[in-house]
Amino acid sequence: NAGVTQTPKFQVLKTGQSMTLQCAQDMNHEYMSWYRQDPGMGLRLIHYSVGAGITDQGEVPNGYNVSRSTTEDFPLRLLSAAPSQTSVYFCATSVAGTPGQDTQYFGPGTRLTVL
Amino acid sequence: GEDVEQSLFLSVREGDSSVINCTYTDSSSTYLYWYKQEPGAGLQLLTYIFSNMDMKQDQRLTVLLNKKDKHLSLRIADTQTGDSAIYFCAERLKFSGGYNKLIFGAGTRLAVHP
Repeated sequence: NAGVTQTPKFQVLKTGQSMTLQCAQDMNHEYMSWYRQDPGMGLRLIHYSVGAGITDQGEVPNGYNVSRSTTEDFPLRLLSAAPSQTSVYFCATSVAGTPGQDTQYFGPGTRLTVL
Repeated sequence: GEDVEQSLFLSVREGDSSVINCTYTDSSSTYLYWYKQEPGAGLQLLTYIFSNMDMKQDQRLTVLLNKKDKHLSLRIADTQTGDSAIYFCAERLKFSGGYNKLIFGAGTRLAVHP
């Protein structure tokens, strides 16, 4: 049981390049989400999914796309990387439903630098 | 509005108690959480408290909630060097589609020195 895995751990991009950050979970959780962590700002929600085939925007969705074709995977795509997207990206999963039991489990993060 | 605030840094001596404070603004918050982030790692849930509780104790951790003042604190008794990390306060709000959105504070970096 690997929990939540993210790849790659580190990535350097040039402005304008595209890439996909991978997130996978083996806990059969319905909810998956992507956050970015910037110094002094806590975590901000980018996109989330409440189940396969269903995605929605979070607080800071611009410049990112997501899809959820399976329960296990929730990739985050940067279409044309910008220096403002330099950040640490965390994927999180949780079980839907009962309040207090919908604990979010976080992956180890991907550190992205855009030059 | 949605906002969670924490002091950014706390330094304590090993063996002392640490108290990390947090204020939040949304009175509809139902659950409040404390997460711990060690260097190079993701966030790990430490504990949570339901909004109708005043206090929750879990081994060395004590969470106090003052709902009137929208103030949350985390007390770590007998602080150890392994407690050095960033601690995030988060409030749980309903988002569109029923998703439970977490609003995070900026995190408090706890440094434990001998």
